[in-house]
Amino acid sequence: SQTIHQWPATLVQPVGSPLSLECTVEGTSNPNLYWYRQAAGRGLQLLFYSVGIGQISSEVPQNLSASRPQDRQFILSSKKLLLSDSGFYLCAWSAIAGGTGELFFGEGSRLTVL
Amino acid sequence: AQKVTQAQTEISVVEKEDVTLDCVYETRDTTYYLFWYKQPPSGELVFLIRRNSFDEQNEISGRYSWNFQKSTSSFNFTITASQVVDSAVYFCALSEASSNSGYALNFGKGTSLLVTP
Repeated sequence: SQTIHQWPATLVQPVGSPLSLECTVEGTSNPNLYWYRQAAGRGLQLLFYSVGIGQISSEVPQNLSASRPQDRQFILSSKKLLLSDSGFYLCAWSAIAGGTGELFFGEGSRLTVL
Repeated sequence: AQKVTQAQTEISVVEKEDVTLDCVYETRDTTYYLFWYKQPPSGELVFLIRRNSFDEQNEISGRYSWNFQKSTSSFNFTITASQVVDSAVYFCALSEASSNSGYALNFGKGTSLLVTP
């Protein structure tokens, strides 16, 4: 069966520090991968998606970046965090074949920038 | 533009009451998919259902039921005989066949449901 894991689960970082959140999918090949952010009291905002290794598309201009060094690995990074980067970050995957399939989410990473 | 609207921000019910969560969507595609997710306090989003635009049959799964009406662009979710464990934030989402976002889902802002004993 397919599983998705992301870490760390919780992170408290000072403004201006770097960030690295990692997501790994198991049990499937060539998935679409996504990073969403959920700010307090708000819905889910799509940040990045990837349809293949090295293929990253950004939906929202920001100081965050994403990379996909391996088929089932998706990394969210920042060189210098801002206060507004605080939120709950969710990684998700879906099967590419046929598209428009449901997304399966990881456990989430809660980031607090102080 | 907001493609999925969940007008109810918060709903509070007493256990065993029925509750309906509203979802209205907007799309120009003829082929699209609608979803509901549950987000319990732990934070992880749990997939509940996926419906395509060509299937308007209502669906029932235990205490959960979904009413899809293309005429009103709605995809409402009803919980019958609610339980405390149903307390969570529920999200409705839309995916369009013409999507140029890798078939990412557009989520509504969610409805927070509180079921009290």
